[in-house]
Amino acid sequence: QVTLKESGPVLVKPTETLTLTCTVSGFSLSNPTMGVSWFRQPPGKALEWLAHIFSTDEKTFTTSLKTRLSISKDTSKSQVVLALTNVDPVDTATYFCARTKPYYGNSGHYVDAFDIWGQGTMVTVSS
Amino acid sequence: DIQMTQSPSSLSASVGDRVTITCRSSQSISDYLNWYQQKRGKAPKLVIYGASILQSGVPSRFSGSGSGTGFTLTISNLQPEDFATYYCQQSHSTPYTLGQGTKLDIK
Repeated sequence: QVTLKESGPVLVKPTETLTLTCTVSGFSLSNPTMGVSWFRQPPGKALEWLAHIFSTDEKTFTTSLKTRLSISKDTSKSQVVLALTNVDPVDTATYFCARTKPYYGNSGHYVDAFDIWGQGTMVTVSS
Repeated sequence: DIQMTQSPSSLSASVGDRVTITCRSSQSISDYLNWYQQKRGKAPKLVIYGASILQSGVPSRFSGSGSGTGFTLTISNLQPEDFATYYCQQSHSTPYTLGQGTKLDIK
């Protein structure tokens, strides 16, 4: 059974760095067809994609937060870590991690989709 | 970055109705388009991938279509459990991007 679980602080002070961990089970982070992304969702607002790490260790980030985000993985621990620097109350949100899996589409190519998600972890930024 | 625009942003319907949600991309993404359903307080769930292919376990009343820059998600014979927020997401290129969501609620 494939699962992902987010963990990290519930409360962070403004200007601090938020570090979140996604622990996966049921698959390997070295699987060449799979990757892990982080998303967030402020209370009552839309879901936002933040960052992705591929099995090759290639990384990609949302343009608006690129300078504040980092992502890394520890394959031996089955963990993906997201860091967001210099947090502000607007960073208050539920943070989710999710796995990408390639699905064979009708047009003869594979389409990556987020098939398994963690339950999310709520983070509040406040002094 | 590829921008994804959904319409409408909210929609009221009744059980048994048929509804359609539209998603447009700022550039052609072929069929690299996925749809997710999110219920309040829960993680999103993959509903359709590759623009039109139903994820395993998803009821056949859900259907998707489109290619290029225009896509639709249609739900026929709405059931109470279908009232949720729906997001489109492109996986054509990184950074991955999502639509702003369509909230479907009961009329």
